[in-house]
Amino acid sequence: QLVLTQSPSASASLGASVKLTCTLSSGHSSYAIAWHQQQPEKGPRYLMKLNSDGSHSKGDGIPDRFSGSSSGAERYLTISSLQSEDEADYYCQTWGTGLWVFGGGTKLTVL
Amino acid sequence: EVQLLESGGGLVQPGGSLRLSCAASGFTFSSYAMSWVRQAPGKGLEWVSAISGSGGSTYYADSVKGRFTISRDNSKNTLYLQMNSLRAEDTAVYYCAKVGEPSTVTNAFDIWGQGTMVTVSS
Repeated sequence: QLVLTQSPSASASLGASVKLTCTLSSGHSSYAIAWHQQQPEKGPRYLMKLNSDGSHSKGDGIPDRFSGSSSGAERYLTISSLQSEDEADYYCQTWGTGLWVFGGGTKLTVL
Repeated sequence: EVQLLESGGGLVQPGGSLRLSCAASGFTFSSYAMSWVRQAPGKGLEWVSAISGSGGSTYYADSVKGRFTISRDNSKNTLYLQMNSLRAEDTAVYYCAKVGEPSTVTNAFDIWGQGTMVTVSS
């Protein structure tokens, strides 16, 4: 079964960096994922598509502060030079034949 | 500018029906698969349904199969979601989303609408 697992919460200080993790279920470590950001009271915003080899393609207008990387079944989103507007929920997404799956989301608090 | 604009949400009684629409602009609508995703109050994102660019292939989450129908009118650049036999657990903000690459169905969503609220309650 295709499942994505995310930690419910994370926190980091203004100006620091944070690395969020999304873990693919067993047998799906080759899958690509996407990262989406959802700021409070807003719709989701696509950040990037991240492949199993760590290559990624970002959405239009996404700052260089956002980057992605991969290791085995883990997919990472790193945000550097944290700003107050980065405080948001972050969701990973993957897809298979005829289905799409979201992780439970990570709520990022910027201290 | 690529844009998706949902409409049609509202309050409906359990067992009732509602049709959502999503007006697309700024891209060649018929070349891209589209999807509906929902978010219950205080919860995460849940994929609901998807449709190929031609409309010939449709996909549904188990939670809505047999009750919801996705369709599209490429002449009007509009995506629809017909929701029947609505339940309290269908209460959510419904987003339409565009699949990121042309002529493929299963891929990342790269554009999202602002959402429309559906409340199922007596």
